[in-house]
Amino acid sequence: GENVEQHPSTLSVQEGDSAVIKCTYSDSASNYFPWYKQELGKRPQLIIDIRSNVGEKKDQRIAVTLNKTAKHFSLHITETQPEDSAVYFCAASIGMGTARQLTFGSGTQLTVLP
Amino acid sequence: GAVVSQHPSWVICKSGTSVKIECRSLDFQATTMFWYRQFPKQSLMLMATSNEGSKATYEQGVEKDKFLINHASLTLSTLTVTSAHPEDSSFYICSARRDSPYNEQFFGPGTRLTVL
Repeated sequence: GENVEQHPSTLSVQEGDSAVIKCTYSDSASNYFPWYKQELGKRPQLIIDIRSNVGEKKDQRIAVTLNKTAKHFSLHITETQPEDSAVYFCAASIGMGTARQLTFGSGTQLTVLP
Repeated sequence: GAVVSQHPSWVICKSGTSVKIECRSLDFQATTMFWYRQFPKQSLMLMATSNEGSKATYEQGVEKDKFLINHASLTLSTLTVTSAHPEDSSFYICSARRDSPYNEQFFGPGTRLTVL
């Protein structure tokens, strides 16, 4: 089955700096790669996603890049703010039809220091 | 749009009792819903895939007789933890997949289960 690896597990940055989180996946058939932000005790929130027919997507301070050949994708947060502090999960979608499901990475605890 | 609710948000029960958790998609239909379990500081672990009108598909190591899933409509799936024990204490989160060519999933707020 699909295996998603995520690095780093923890990341601390100064406010205003950029943060980069990287994920690799194993199944070349995966075609959908969302990123979720989860604050303590709350639900994961979809913050950005990318599909296999594009290489980069940007939404304000957040961007995601995808390299299908290397089977890795990354989340980039620029001009970080304290409210960006949370756990971030990458995921990859495998399978076809109703069997499609997400496989999650292990998460990255991002701390933005004021 | 794409709102998913989950009830209850937290529950405390005695060992041996059963607990039912509801997951509803409020503004879209979801043929498929997923149930996850999350331990502190860990990732989301898929327990089972719930399909409307058919039996759920359980991940390896998840006891289907202990975690009963019913997906009776396109907007509601339920997870019943039967004969709960302290080791079942966890954060249970559902997600509903919006039918599209891609796998957009939206999560419920989660249910904190504590078994005494």
